[in-house]
Amino acid sequence: KAGVTQTPRYLIKTRGQQVTLSCSPISGHRSVSWYQQTPGQGLQFLFEYFSETQRNKGNFPGRFSGRQFSNSRSEMNVSTLELGDSALYLCASSPRAGGKNTEAFFGQGTRLTVV
Amino acid sequence: GENVEQHPSTLSVQEGDSAVIKCTYSDSASNYFPWYKQELGKGPQLIIDIRSNVGEKKDQRIAVTLNKTAKHFSLHITETQPEDSAVYFCAASRDNYGQNFVFGPGTRLSVLP
Repeated sequence: KAGVTQTPRYLIKTRGQQVTLSCSPISGHRSVSWYQQTPGQGLQFLFEYFSETQRNKGNFPGRFSGRQFSNSRSEMNVSTLELGDSALYLCASSPRAGGKNTEAFFGQGTRLTVV
Repeated sequence: GENVEQHPSTLSVQEGDSAVIKCTYSDSASNYFPWYKQELGKGPQLIIDIRSNVGEKKDQRIAVTLNKTAKHFSLHITETQPEDSAVYFCAASRDNYGQNFVFGPGTRLSVLP
């Protein structure tokens, strides 16, 4: 079974630009969550999508958004990039059956550098 | 909201010794607690998890214990090997909040040969 695939692996953008990151979950998984990882703040939850609907959102500004497609693939978008958005962005895929939290499988992440 | 603390931040052990990492959480409604291992340049990998209706779970050299009353849970690794060297994260979540994991700050484990 293929794991979680995130593209691209590395990205360099300029302040003020916008960026779109992509995540393909494990086949059959309907829940996709996004996390930001930085040395100072650690792993922080951005949002979760389940069956194309955003279920939960973390404490990030509206510049961070996402969506999920009917095949469960997800994208996240960051507009008006700031230097502080430089981070490893991780996608996690979960089966999330029966309304209970289940194991989440992470991709390798997209390393975003804002210059 | 939920807050997860994790100790120690760094841990060095000799190969073959045991390692213990401890986490505390603040939300008594949290009921799912996974542990992740992250190696350099990779995403976190689930190594073991526990739900709040269970006090202990073991998988070969790895075990997790949960004390709901005290709101803390611990990761135990026995017979450590150099390949166990990595950063370990604990996390807490509650079912009705979805897959919204609150992570601890991490423990860098070094296993010395």
